[in-house]
Amino acid sequence: NAGVTQTPKFQVLKTGQSMTLQCAQDMNHEYMSWYRQDPGMGLRLIHYSVGAGITDQGEVPNGYNVSRSTTEDFPLRLLSAAPSQTSVYFCASSSPGTGARTEAFFGQGTRLTVV
Amino acid sequence: AQSVTQLGSHVSVSEGALVLLRCNYSSSVPPYLFWYVQYPNQGLQLLLKYTSAATLVKGINGFEAEFKKSETSFHLTKPSAHMSDAAEYFCAVSGPKAAGNKLTFGGGTRVLVKP
Repeated sequence: NAGVTQTPKFQVLKTGQSMTLQCAQDMNHEYMSWYRQDPGMGLRLIHYSVGAGITDQGEVPNGYNVSRSTTEDFPLRLLSAAPSQTSVYFCASSSPGTGARTEAFFGQGTRLTVV
Repeated sequence: AQSVTQLGSHVSVSEGALVLLRCNYSSSVPPYLFWYVQYPNQGLQLLLKYTSAATLVKGINGFEAEFKKSETSFHLTKPSAHMSDAAEYFCAVSGPKAAGNKLTFGGGTRVLVKP
């Protein structure tokens, strides 16, 4: 069982370039989300999705786009990379659950450097 | 809005000593709280979660946490530290299901274990 798979693991971009970070999960989870991790700030939510065709903004959405055409995939697009987007990006998935909140499952992360 | 505060960005403990990581939360509704651990260059792994069933929650690797509503706290403890506990630990509170169980994280606490 692969869980949540992110590609690539590492990426270096030049300022102004665009790219897509891939995320796929094989647990049939309805919910998926993208976080960025910066030192001392924990993880901050970029965008999230509660199902195919439904996305919404998180805490730090500027400069990023998402779409969700299937339950399994939730790509994150950087439209025009900036040095401020240098970070480690994590994709997570979870299910709604029947009562209490269920835990999120995280990918291994993508370490992005923008020069 | 929900928020999480972790007191102490770095904690150093001796092997065999008590590990205590502090987490305070702010939430307008009954909270669902989580502790995650991140080992170097890896994603986040669930340690334990509070879902209102019991105030003392036991997790993996000998960790436990106690929910105290009056103190709005969810501190993480382990009676005896092991070298393998060296990692970064994150406390998080979950948002509503309508928002995809999105997580609000504290800033993280990095644990160093001295032999």
